[in-house]
Amino acid sequence: SQLAEENSWALSVHEGESVTVNCSYKTSITALQWYRQKSGKGPAQLILIRSNEREKRNGRLRATLDTSSQSSSLSITATRCEDTAVYFCASNYNQGKLIFGQGTKLSIKP
Amino acid sequence: EAAVTQSPRNKVTVTGGNVTLSCRQTNSHNYMYWYRQDTGHGLRLIHYSYGAGNLQIGDVPDGYKATRTTQEDFFLLLELASPSQTSLYFCASSDPGTSAETLYFGSGTRLTVL
Repeated sequence: SQLAEENSWALSVHEGESVTVNCSYKTSITALQWYRQKSGKGPAQLILIRSNEREKRNGRLRATLDTSSQSSSLSITATRCEDTAVYFCASNYNQGKLIFGQGTKLSIKP
Repeated sequence: EAAVTQSPRNKVTVTGGNVTLSCRQTNSHNYMYWYRQDTGHGLRLIHYSYGAGNLQIGDVPDGYKATRTTQEDFFLLLELASPSQTSLYFCASSDPGTSAETLYFGSGTRLTVL
């Protein structure tokens, strides 16, 4: 079973709209991270939110963390075509190890 | 910014073949990792290392060996490659003491086992 997983395989929105990717995890964590992977590249971290934080922002990105429901969300506002990518959540449950979800493929249509 | 370089970018081998994937990081990070990425499974941890000479077993280690020769270099070895090891492999590095467990990934090696 997955220790971290996004709740949708794929999402599609039009440019300029907002979109939210959701993630659930199954263990007690120290932090949760969101990564983005563009085609032909390795994943790159977007946001790290620690277990004692409820919200974190990075420009147009906003991550939330709800430890009671073991869930997190990543919202992107004013989407752009370059936001097209696969988005992963990853949970820190043991120092030096991350468990990645399966990823959500986000397509931004012109 | 962390630099992680993987080689080769693409590799084709036959069943039973011997393959070595290479990874070098130039940011003096202590931790290095090998992941494989497959559709429907996301990224799965094969092996990781806390430093030169150290090796830790990940979540999907069967069929793989790894060796960390220096702080910079981490190798993944497939001594008897099988078609089930056809995948996209990523190396990553991190330094939890300073960069809050952020992983910096290379661009990947696509391995095909025929």
